[in-house]
Amino acid sequence: AQSVAQPEDQVNVAEGNPLTVKCTYSVSGNPYLFWYVQYPNRGLQFLLKYITGDNLVKGSYGFEAEFNKSQTSFHLKKPSALVSDSALYFCAVRVSNSGNTPLVFGKGTRLSVIA
Amino acid sequence: GAVVSQHPSWVICKSGTSVKIECRSLDFQATTMFWYRQFPKQSLMLMATSNEGSKATYEQGVEKDKFLINHASLTLSTLTVTSAHPEDSSFYICSAREGGWPQHFGDGTRLSIL
Repeated sequence: AQSVAQPEDQVNVAEGNPLTVKCTYSVSGNPYLFWYVQYPNRGLQFLLKYITGDNLVKGSYGFEAEFNKSQTSFHLKKPSALVSDSALYFCAVRVSNSGNTPLVFGKGTRLSVIA
Repeated sequence: GAVVSQHPSWVICKSGTSVKIECRSLDFQATTMFWYRQFPKQSLMLMATSNEGSKATYEQGVEKDKFLINHASLTLSTLTVTSAHPEDSSFYICSAREGGWPQHFGDGTRLSIL
């Protein structure tokens, strides 16, 4: 079975400081990994994905994530946080050869960037 | 980028009525659509997966007669909550993809049953 863990319910960071939102996964096979962001009363917006290739993936709005196979992690990072980055962030996974299966989401991490 | 339009964004109705939520892929053909439910401060719970022209596959514990899903075309899927009751109040989100990845999401529908 596939699963995703986001160990932090809430992350607080000062504006201008680097931010990290943690994600670890468990799959039986090669993972496809994703990060999505959700603003209040909105759906999810795609940030970035890892399918194969370079372990460091760059995405929208200056976010990046590093795939670490040995630690089964896919932490989301940004060098300098903005107040507008405050939102709910979801990590998601699926197995690469699993056909039509949907994404499995973590419980989400609420990021608050303080001015 | 790919756009998924969900309508309505907010609906309030009386207990016992049926509510239909539409999900459209505006600039791509959605071979697969997903319906999720999200409770306050919680993650997304997958309700069902549907492929165009086929019956939806429901997740365990989701009543197929309560939550009717129709994926009649490659750009439209509908979720009908039949005889809605207050416990059906939630945030419903659709998602679609065109074969590959990623999944694109609608902006959600907040359903409030009085």
